[in-house]
Amino acid sequence: SQQGEEDPQALSIQEGENATMNCSYKTSINNLQWYRQNSGRGLVHLILIRSNEREKHSGRLRVTLDTSKKSSSLLITASRAADTASYFCAEDTGRRALTFGSGTRLQVQP
Amino acid sequence: DVKVTQSSRYLVKRTGEKVFLECVQDMDHENMFWYRQDPGLGLRLIYFSYDVKMKEKGDIPEGYSVSREKKERFSLILESASTNQTSMYLCASSLLRGQGGVRQYFGPGTRLTVT
Repeated sequence: SQQGEEDPQALSIQEGENATMNCSYKTSINNLQWYRQNSGRGLVHLILIRSNEREKHSGRLRVTLDTSKKSSSLLITASRAADTASYFCAEDTGRRALTFGSGTRLQVQP
Repeated sequence: DVKVTQSSRYLVKRTGEKVFLECVQDMDHENMFWYRQDPGLGLRLIYFSYDVKMKEKGDIPEGYSVSREKKERFSLILESASTNQTSMYLCASSLLRGQGGVRQYFGPGTRLTVT
């Protein structure tokens, strides 16, 4: 299966700025999920957006989905040093397993 | 809270050794997964299991096998470890597909080095 692509691969911002990460995928999806991974650790689920939704919020996270362009974006507002991590999108296409992208490494400078 | 545990955080093995990676989840999830993670390649699915004794190959099953004798435990086996299997191995679990989509819960990972 083909993996989605995150863009950019790496992002460095100052604390308090917003961080935007993009994900493009290739097949039809039931939903798209975003996960976070702290260095050397497992992934943690952040948010899920269904294919019939266009935008979803959770705290400082905002996710958008454009199924016509097969793309999604994750916005982290007012970033903190603790947001430093890798962020992955994952496609749920109806298979049992998700298909993960290659991730965006976010560095938030204090 | 769902807990997924992996038997080792770090493991060093020699080429040709048989290696067992164990994963246990405590939430009665039907699905369990093994991924490997390499820099620049993201997560790649090795195998998954949707029930006891049931398994399906993922995208990169070559050189690996799995075992699921109990619902809570999913083992990844490297029959004869090779240096190109040096990687981070991540286990995950999830409920069977349900309404609204299914999220996966991950263990902390095992960093395996084969020398």
